[in-house]
Amino acid sequence: LAKTTQPISMDSYEGQEVNITCSHNNIATNDYITWYQQFPSQGPRFIIQGYKTKVTNEVASLFIPADRKSSTLSLPRVSLSDTAVYYCLVGGDNQGGKLIFGQGTELSVKP
Amino acid sequence: GAVVSQHPSRVICKSGTSVKIECRSLDFQATTMFWYRQFPKQSLMLMATSNEGSKATYEQGVEKDKFLINHASLTLSTLTVTSAHPEDSSFYICSARDRGNVGQPQHFGDGTRLSIL
Repeated sequence: LAKTTQPISMDSYEGQEVNITCSHNNIATNDYITWYQQFPSQGPRFIIQGYKTKVTNEVASLFIPADRKSSTLSLPRVSLSDTAVYYCLVGGDNQGGKLIFGQGTELSVKP
Repeated sequence: GAVVSQHPSRVICKSGTSVKIECRSLDFQATTMFWYRQFPKQSLMLMATSNEGSKATYEQGVEKDKFLINHASLTLSTLTVTSAHPEDSSFYICSARDRGNVGQPQHFGDGTRLSIL
């Protein structure tokens, strides 16, 4: 399973766009890139998933370059409630979709 | 959307007690479920892969006799912490994915806070 590397923490202010980049140099051909958000004492919540190029949903965008060795989660106009830990995970259908968590990025949004 | 339910959400019990945690996929079937443990201020650590109808696969360093996993149906996996001690106190989280949709993301339960006195 590919290892991921993210910044340990990031600070932002309300209304700003936040971009969190994740490195996954050993990503396999069949691997997807998935981002999760976790609040204290809750399970991770799915944000977005992609394979290549750009994916957008109602809460975020995911940018994946052609070599797929990194990805960037973009959160538009963050609010205080976006303060959480964000995890980037890489995995496919091997081993039943097994995922190994890295350290995650602790995002702090300030007023 | 896909929902994974865990029960109980919180358990407080005496040392030596065995505790069972349930993980259910509410609107899909899952041949594979995963169990994680998370200590304060740390990331999730994968403990084991729960396989429907067969033995679980444990990660290195996780005692299979300590953490018993049963996956008797396509919608239910259970984790039993046997003879729990204070060092087993942690946040336990399960995840599952719809077996009928290849490439779909894992969905996580809301976790079980286990406190051993």
